[in-house]
Amino acid sequence: KAGVTQTPRYLIKTRGQQVTLSCSPISGHRSVSWYQQTPGQGLQFLFEYFSETQRNKGNFPGRFSGRQFSNSRSEMNVSTLELGDSALYLCASSLQHSNEKLFFGSGTQLSVL
Amino acid sequence: EDQVTQSPEALRLQEGESSSLNCSYTVSGLRGLFWYRQDPGKGPEFLFTLYSAGEEKEKERLKATLTKKESFLHITAPKPEDSATYLCAGHNNAGNMLTFGGGTRLMVKP
Repeated sequence: KAGVTQTPRYLIKTRGQQVTLSCSPISGHRSVSWYQQTPGQGLQFLFEYFSETQRNKGNFPGRFSGRQFSNSRSEMNVSTLELGDSALYLCASSLQHSNEKLFFGSGTQLSVL
Repeated sequence: EDQVTQSPEALRLQEGESSSLNCSYTVSGLRGLFWYRQDPGKGPEFLFTLYSAGEEKEKERLKATLTKKESFLHITAPKPEDSATYLCAGHNNAGNMLTFGGGTRLMVKP
């Protein structure tokens, strides 16, 4: 069974640009969560999608948004990039909304110059 | 606000030297306390979930325990391949999200 797949693996952008990251969950998993990981702040929750609806949102500005498609694949978008957005963005999937066991992808390393 | 704190930040051990990692938590309506292992350049890999005080779970050289305020990850006779960052996270009753601690970077020297 394939794991959580995130693309691209690495991304370099400049300030002010926008970026879209993609996540394909484990087959059969319907919940997708996104986390930001930085050396200073550690892992922080961004949002969770289940059945194409955002169920939870972390404490991030509105520049961070996401969506989920009918096949459970998810994308997250960051607009007007800032230097501080440089981070590893991790996607995690679980079977259901209430299922706590999350399986993580390898992440997308975003560098903002 | 939920908080999870891990100590120490970094730990160097000799191969075979047992030790424990600490995770202190304040999580509203804790539904589960998770331990993950993260290798450089990879996403966290699930290890254990603990649900109630007194619960213990084991996997190879690792044993996780839970009290009402803390969780411990005991590493018995570690090997170099156990070197990684170990993360703990609390899952509250407000939704499907985890609050992570800062992690403990474990280095095991042969």
